[in-house]
Amino acid sequence: SAVISQKPSRDICQRGTSLTIQCQVDSQVTMMFWYRQQPGQSLTLIATANQGSEATYESGFVIDKFPISRPNLTFSTLTVSNMSPEDSSIYLCSVDTGTKTQYFGPGTRLLVL
Amino acid sequence: QQPVQSPQAVILREGEDAVINCSSSKALYSVHWYRQKHGEAPVFLMILLKGGEQKGHDKISASFNEKKQQSSLYLTASQLSYSGTYFCGTDPFNTDKLIFGTGTRLQVFP
Repeated sequence: SAVISQKPSRDICQRGTSLTIQCQVDSQVTMMFWYRQQPGQSLTLIATANQGSEATYESGFVIDKFPISRPNLTFSTLTVSNMSPEDSSIYLCSVDTGTKTQYFGPGTRLLVL
Repeated sequence: QQPVQSPQAVILREGEDAVINCSSSKALYSVHWYRQKHGEAPVFLMILLKGGEQKGHDKISASFNEKKQQSSLYLTASQLSYSGTYFCGTDPFNTDKLIFGTGTRLQVFP
């Protein structure tokens, strides 16, 4: 397994601003993922972040809106840019420890006013 | 493309059994099951790889029928701690990217 932390745990932001979410894992992992989960809904994959390569985005998500960094094997950031109320959601990171199993961080609860 | 889970919600008394189904329109390489309690992160339960295997631990088990592109999660003698929302996650292309199902909310009462 893996222990994953995220910062901030929650935030309230004004529309038009940007927020960077950090994800830290206690061991080196190759694959990290970023998900969005709207209240009461399922999880939707935003992008996959592998160290040493550009993040790959799923349909409906673009780099200009959700830039991702992956500077090393234990850390990643997701930025939500030029936010609107529709971006209000829970953002979760997860890691694959090489066993085809994903472990999730506690999530960042974002409210955009 | 999103797997469909049924039922959408289940209410149980302690000790009762439940089955949660996950159906995909795509051929599957693997199916993953998670439980998420309110306000918490999803917690991994088990993974099933193609080959029609069954798995289980404690009183929770699962099966995977790759021909039918379906998986089922079996909860027996339910406990209060089983309450939460259950999600299946499918990996159609063996890329380790998961597509999560619609979710099943399970509530267990004393």
